[in-house]
Amino acid sequence: DAKTTQPTSMDCAEGRAANLPCNHSTISGNEYVYWYRQIHSQGPQYIIHGLKNNETNEMASLIITEDRKSSTLILPHATLRDTAVYYCIVRVGQYGSGNTGKLIFGQGTTLQVKP
Amino acid sequence: KAGVTQTPRYLIKTRGQQVTLSCSPISGHRSVSWYQQTPGQGLQFLFEYFSETQRNKGNFPGRFSGRQFSNSRSEMNVSTLELGDSALYLCASSLASSGGFNNEQFFGPGTRLTVL
Repeated sequence: DAKTTQPTSMDCAEGRAANLPCNHSTISGNEYVYWYRQIHSQGPQYIIHGLKNNETNEMASLIITEDRKSSTLILPHATLRDTAVYYCIVRVGQYGSGNTGKLIFGQGTTLQVKP
Repeated sequence: KAGVTQTPRYLIKTRGQQVTLSCSPISGHRSVSWYQQTPGQGLQFLFEYFSETQRNKGNFPGRFSGRQFSNSRSEMNVSTLELGDSALYLCASSLASSGGFNNEQFFGPGTRLTVL
């Protein structure tokens, strides 16, 4: 089962910031928070990941609470092309024995960006 | 750098048949994972291959199998197809450098399988 909880859906006005929350209260110390999104009928696209510090890249920012039990993905200026299902996933970061390329997806948040 | 490619993109089969799907990872990537996506169950992990060995397997029946070749390309096979196998099958590749950071996975566009 997925270790994360996300709202089923959210709306955002075009040009405004979209803030997508994720709860992961059982996250372990060696688990990272990853975000992917899936635009209709396409393969999921990696967005960003982090361990405990806030992270930013050209697509988004990731804010992780100090206790690491929740996080927020921020799309600073949402566009219509950001309409997608957003998945928050926790996974072990370091690759080694027992840690494999397995992502456990929940139901995600459907973000609808409106004009 | 070319992305993950999957062939074919669309496939129609009938119950009882078998099917083979192909995935070519990004050049240099050694890990290939397969996922099934259906409206009812969402995205579910099938299995992962690394250096031609299956490293992990999801909760799917033995009708679902896969393999990886020395060039990291991977195939998955579904035998004795059932109506419920209709789904989008996605593969993802990652660098997966041993002992290093577990790099993010890059997904292909998927193969849409319809079983009639």
